[in-house]
Amino acid sequence: DIQMTQSPSTLSASVGDRVTITCRASQSIGNWLAWYQQRPGKAPKLLIYKASNLESGVPSRFSGSGSGTEFTLTISSLQPDDFEIYHCQQYNSYPYTFGQGTKLEIK
Amino acid sequence: EVQLLESGGGLVQPGESLRLSCAASGFIFTPYAMSWVRQAPGKGLEWVAAIRGSGERTFYAGSVKGRFTISRDNSKSTLYLQLNSLRAEDTAVYFCARDSHALDLWGQGTLVTVSS
Repeated sequence: DIQMTQSPSTLSASVGDRVTITCRASQSIGNWLAWYQQRPGKAPKLLIYKASNLESGVPSRFSGSGSGTEFTLTISSLQPDDFEIYHCQQYNSYPYTFGQGTKLEIK
Repeated sequence: EVQLLESGGGLVQPGESLRLSCAASGFIFTPYAMSWVRQAPGKGLEWVAAIRGSGERTFYAGSVKGRFTISRDNSKSTLYLQLNSLRAEDTAVYFCARDSHALDLWGQGTLVTVSS
């Protein structure tokens, strides 16, 4: 199975900050990487697919990059609604696997 | 409205069975692969199983292979997950998700609790 390692597990930041979350795959997954945002008690919401494609309706302050084994999610200017949990996921091959999640908290 | 609605969760004892359902509406169900993803309390997301649009191929996480069965009824636009030989570690919220460009549409989840 492909292991996904996400870092950091917790990130403290302030409104207006630029932040980056990293996801590494244990083997190459091309660009078959997605990022999700999850609010407590709610379903995940797709933000980015195929490493760098913004899902419809997602604000442009979210961006993704990378290929192969290393990927990043960047939020260019944090807004109050952004302090949630973020997950990466590879869908290059089954079994799909997720990173352990990054909790973005207010500093 | 495009949506997925899970049902069938509940409290069961170890070793018992449960069947989850996921009703799709607002889109044409048949062409899409579908997945089940679970989240144990306070934990991350774990992909559980997937099924192709026609139902001819299925895929499972190692942790559930041989115990869980994914299926679908395209005439009813409904996805299923049969959970057998349940264990305490299967306790989680189970989400169904449309597998399009990544998992682009999710249900609200249904809670399965396995406890004696």
